[in-house]
Amino acid sequence: DQQVKQNSPSLSVQEGRISILNCDYTNSMFDYFLWYKKYPAEGPTFLISISSIKDKNEDGRFTVFLNKSAKHLSLHIVPSQPGDSAVYFCAAGGGGADGLTFGKGTHLIIQP
Amino acid sequence: GAVVSQHPSRVICKSGTSVKIECRSLDFQATTMFWYRQFPKQSLMLMATSNEGSKATYEQGVEKDKFLINHASLTLSTLTVTSAHPEDSSFYICSAFSGTENYGYTFGSGTRLTVV
Repeated sequence: DQQVKQNSPSLSVQEGRISILNCDYTNSMFDYFLWYKKYPAEGPTFLISISSIKDKNEDGRFTVFLNKSAKHLSLHIVPSQPGDSAVYFCAAGGGGADGLTFGKGTHLIIQP
Repeated sequence: GAVVSQHPSRVICKSGTSVKIECRSLDFQATTMFWYRQFPKQSLMLMATSNEGSKATYEQGVEKDKFLINHASLTLSTLTVTSAHPEDSSFYICSAFSGTENYGYTFGSGTRLTVV
C-alpha cells in the first residue's frame, strides 16, 4: 500500500513557465512533508518542507502548498529554469526521528 | 549545513561475496541513521533504522541477516550486504538524522551496487 503517491511519472514545462508537481498521501498521521530533487546516481537534495500545521511555505522560486483535508500537496516552481530538470520526490514523515516515506518521483523536464 | 558522506559511490562484486557500505556524518553527531534502497524508476524504500549502540530496526520484508547494519559510533553506520545476489543490485542511500534544519534528514550521495 503506497502511502505517498506521485501520479505523474513525468512532466514537461517550458522554460520561464510555472512547474506544478503534485503529491497525495493516505496516512493522516504524517505531520511534515518534504520535497527533494534528485539526479541519477546521486542522493536526494532537500528543496523545501512544510509542517502539517501550515498550508503554504515559500522559499525563493519554490512554494509548497498543503491541503490537509484533501491529503494533497504540491510544489510550484516559478519561473522554471533548465537546471530544474531532475526527478522530484515528495516525502512524508511522522513525529520524532522516523524514516521518511517517499513517492515514486516525477521527472521534470524543462524545455527551452 | 549538515553533511553526510557515503562510500563507495559504486561497487561491482561477484555473487556470493559481501559488500560493506559506509555512511558518515561529517559535522554532526547522528544518533539515528536510515538506510534506503532505490530500484530503477522506483521510490526510495526505507530498509532499516539504525540507532547508535543498539540493534537496527528493519522494515517488513527486509532480511536482517542479509543486510547487516552496524552503528558503532555517533558518526558512522555501515550496511553490509552479505552473500550478494544479482537481485541485490540497486542504489543504496543512507540518511542521518541531525535533528536540526530540514527536519533533520541529510542524505548521503548513494552507492550503486552491481552484483555479477
